[in-house]
Amino acid sequence: GENVEQHPSTLSVQEGDSAVIKCTYSDSASNYFPWYKQELGKRPQLIIDIRSNVGEKKDQRIAVTLNKTAKHFSLHITETQPEDSAVYFCAASEEGGGADGLTFGKGTHLIIQP
Amino acid sequence: NAGVTQTPKFQVLKTGQSMTLQCAQDMNHNSMYWYRQDPGMGLRLIYYSASEGTTDKGEVPNGYNVSRLNKREFSLRLESAAPSQTSVYFCASRDPWTGTNEKLFFGSGTQLSVL
Repeated sequence: GENVEQHPSTLSVQEGDSAVIKCTYSDSASNYFPWYKQELGKRPQLIIDIRSNVGEKKDQRIAVTLNKTAKHFSLHITETQPEDSAVYFCAASEEGGGADGLTFGKGTHLIIQP
Repeated sequence: NAGVTQTPKFQVLKTGQSMTLQCAQDMNHNSMYWYRQDPGMGLRLIYYSASEGTTDKGEVPNGYNVSRLNKREFSLRLESAAPSQTSVYFCASRDPWTGTNEKLFFGSGTQLSVL
């Protein structure tokens, strides 16, 4: 089955700086890579996703990059703000390959220092 | 539009007690999931139901049973609760075969403590 590794487990950055979270996956059949944000006490919510036919995707201050050859993908947050403080999860699955769920990384606790 | 609704939000059990977590979705999704979330462990899949009438084990199924009652509802049962089952449980749903709708929608979670 798929295995997703996520680093770092905790990341502290100054407000206004950039944050980068990295994930690797093991199953070459995986082709869908979403990122979820979970605020304290809330449910995880999708913030951005990327498919294997795309190398990079941006949405305002958030971007995701994918390197299929190396089997890794990254989340980039620029100009960080206090509301970016949360736990971020990467995940991987095979789009259209079945319904056996997303495999998640263990999460990164992002702390934005004022 | 309610999305994914799960109950209860909080529950305290004694070791050996049983309970059922309820989940319902109103998005007409075929697939439903139960995850547990533990500190430092991320979200781990307990059971899933690809479509009405089917259920399959995920990564951590031991100690749990599930029932896909109909297309909307997917319940998780703990027959004899153990302290190791203290966790936050999330129900989720999606439709993975539509090509553009792999997005996983989560319920608000159930915080379960087993004493």
